[in-house]
Amino acid sequence: SELTQDPAVSVALGQTVTITCQGDTLRKYFASWIQQKPGQAPVVVIFGKTNRPSGIPDRFSASGSGNTASLTITGAQAEDEADYYCKSRDSSGNYLVFGGGTKLTVL
Amino acid sequence: QVQLVESGGGVVQPGESLRLSCEGSGFRFSYHGMHWVRQAPGKGLEWLGFIRYDGGKKVLADVVRGRGTISRDNARNTLYLEMSSLRPEDTAVYYCVRDRGSVLTTFYFDFWGQGTLVIVSS
Repeated sequence: SELTQDPAVSVALGQTVTITCQGDTLRKYFASWIQQKPGQAPVVVIFGKTNRPSGIPDRFSASGSGNTASLTITGAQAEDEADYYCKSRDSSGNYLVFGGGTKLTVL
Repeated sequence: QVQLVESGGGVVQPGESLRLSCEGSGFRFSYHGMHWVRQAPGKGLEWLGFIRYDGGKKVLADVVRGRGTISRDNARNTLYLEMSSLRPEDTAVYYCVRDRGSVLTTFYFDFWGQGTLVIVSS
């Protein structure tokens, strides 16, 4: 994959966690972040640079620098336990690619 | 409210063809580009392709190019994915996803369907 994520991350309840996504195309294109809970359809939590769709809590935020995009959850809740995927474009700009996903465990 | 409902999944034999449908409601379907994304069991998300709001532009990922096509019928508010020469590795949940842009392609997603499961097995 052109986008690389850590397979798993854990966070204590109420603490802050950052999930990262690396790839050269992130120097040119923004990443989006997609949450998927077990047995459910995915949900977009961040799109564009830092935009949160309506209904997404403001504890979700995003940033980017160089070839790395980051999703930060400030004050993680039990309901945030899910798989998180970054998404952006490939090097040609014509196709979309996903990172491999990060499984977030809230302890 | 926006709804996307996929259908057409099921069990198919290797080498066979399949057409998946996705009916949109609660929004002006003809104004939005649409994407297909799939997820193999226990695996990550994989983008398959996109069709512009008017059907005038289509982009297919390498994994389906040559044996798949995306189309839409705006009069029926329906998106299609047709795939031929199916392989066991095509076994996945197939999602349709709305592009966020209205009469504009953003390549940002907003609403997802619940998905339809395709199993390719003999």
